[in-house]
Amino acid sequence: DVKVTQSSRYLVKRTGEKVFLECVQDMDHENMFWYRQDPGLGLRLIYFSYDVKMKEKGDIPEGYSVSREKKERFSLILESASTNQTSMYLCASSSTRQGPAYEQYFGPGTRLTVT
Amino acid sequence: AQSVTQPDIHITVSEGASLELRCNYSYGATPYLFWYVQSPGQGLQLLLKYFSGDTLVQGIKGFEAEFKRSQSSFNLRKPSVHWSDAAEYFCAVGASGNTPLVFGKGTRLSVIA
Repeated sequence: DVKVTQSSRYLVKRTGEKVFLECVQDMDHENMFWYRQDPGLGLRLIYFSYDVKMKEKGDIPEGYSVSREKKERFSLILESASTNQTSMYLCASSSTRQGPAYEQYFGPGTRLTVT
Repeated sequence: AQSVTQPDIHITVSEGASLELRCNYSYGATPYLFWYVQSPGQGLQLLLKYFSGDTLVQGIKGFEAEFKRSQSSFNLRKPSVHWSDAAEYFCAVGASGNTPLVFGKGTRLSVIA
């Protein structure tokens, strides 16, 4: 089974701190994604990457950056955390090797609270 | 651009009753369609997917969905709901290649005795 792990389930940070959210997948997937999930807004794509050192902006990249130095790891960085970044963050991965309808596999999520 | 609409924010059904969750999509070509479920505090788990062939798709946990091109719909159904089905359900649409899935805003399902 594909496993996507996220470094923390719960995280509390102070305003202005630099925050790193780590995601690791163990199935050699080339595509990785970061979403944030807020009540009533569903999942919104922050960034995605389809190869090592590649990144693409999603729908809401402002205030975030990403890093993908190794294929299995995709990091989300909040350069200076703000209270409006309090949210659930979900990482996902996928591979076009799965076939024409390649689903995304999700990690358990990190609930980040910025105070 | 692709988009997904889940018209119902919250649905409550009685245990043992049938369930239908609605999903409408917008996409120019033949879409790849997915239903995911999210239990409280958890990540998303795939229930089923459609990309071609039979328009009635069977998934895990007794769920099925029917693709109707003429209505741009991909509704999720279950004949008899169990209390453990209480969760949030997301419909998603994808294109070919490695583009990300586009998700609806979700439907929260409550199950009452």
